[in-house]
Amino acid sequence: QVQLVQSGTEVKKPGTSVKVSCKASGYTFTRYTMHWVRQAPGQSLEWMGWINGGNGMTRYSQKFQGRVTITRDTSASTVYMDLSRLRSEDTAVYYCARIFLYGGNFYFDYWGQGTRVTVSS
Amino acid sequence: NFVLTQPHSVSESPGKTVTISCTRSSGSIASNYVQWYQQRPGSAPTIVIYEDNQRPSGVPDRFSGSIDSSSNSASLTISGLKTEDEADYYCQSYDSSNPVVFGGGTKLTVL
Repeated sequence: QVQLVQSGTEVKKPGTSVKVSCKASGYTFTRYTMHWVRQAPGQSLEWMGWINGGNGMTRYSQKFQGRVTITRDTSASTVYMDLSRLRSEDTAVYYCARIFLYGGNFYFDYWGQGTRVTVSS
Repeated sequence: NFVLTQPHSVSESPGKTVTISCTRSSGSIASNYVQWYQQRPGSAPTIVIYEDNQRPSGVPDRFSGSIDSSSNSASLTISGLKTEDEADYYCQSYDSSNPVVFGGGTKLTVL
């Protein structure tokens, strides 16, 4: 069965960086694209970017361009999301989510359990 | 960029029917498919409707989706409400410039 297991809770100081991992299992890693979505406390879902598991191509939300880097390690079937220059507004739960792509549409069919990141001085 | 606007909250009694709307601010709602996700407290979202009105396997047929071009909106309808349906619901769509856009979410209370 498909599983996405994320790394644990992080507490960071403003101005530093955080790297969250997402280990995939139960499917062929290189055949799917993985996205990162975050959710601040009491807020909606916010898309951050994606990475193609096969060729490593990435695309980022304009909001996070320059601060976010998404990478993958195919040998470990793991995707990483690195967010730099952290500020208090980055306090959120960060999710990895796999895309099921078909025809002209897609949807998120599997999600990680979420990683809570707190940014506080 | 377009915005998907949802009501902040809705409430209804068990056994009744509720509809949650999702209005697209610019561009046609019919131009790109709409998905709906359910998120229970403390859990990750799960898909309940994709491609405007399709239910993934395992989702009860009490859940249905539709779009209305006249109001430029999508709707999620849940009939025969159960207490387990109490959750936050998010619509999601996209266009060529915005790969993923989520609505603001609607808190459904079943009382």
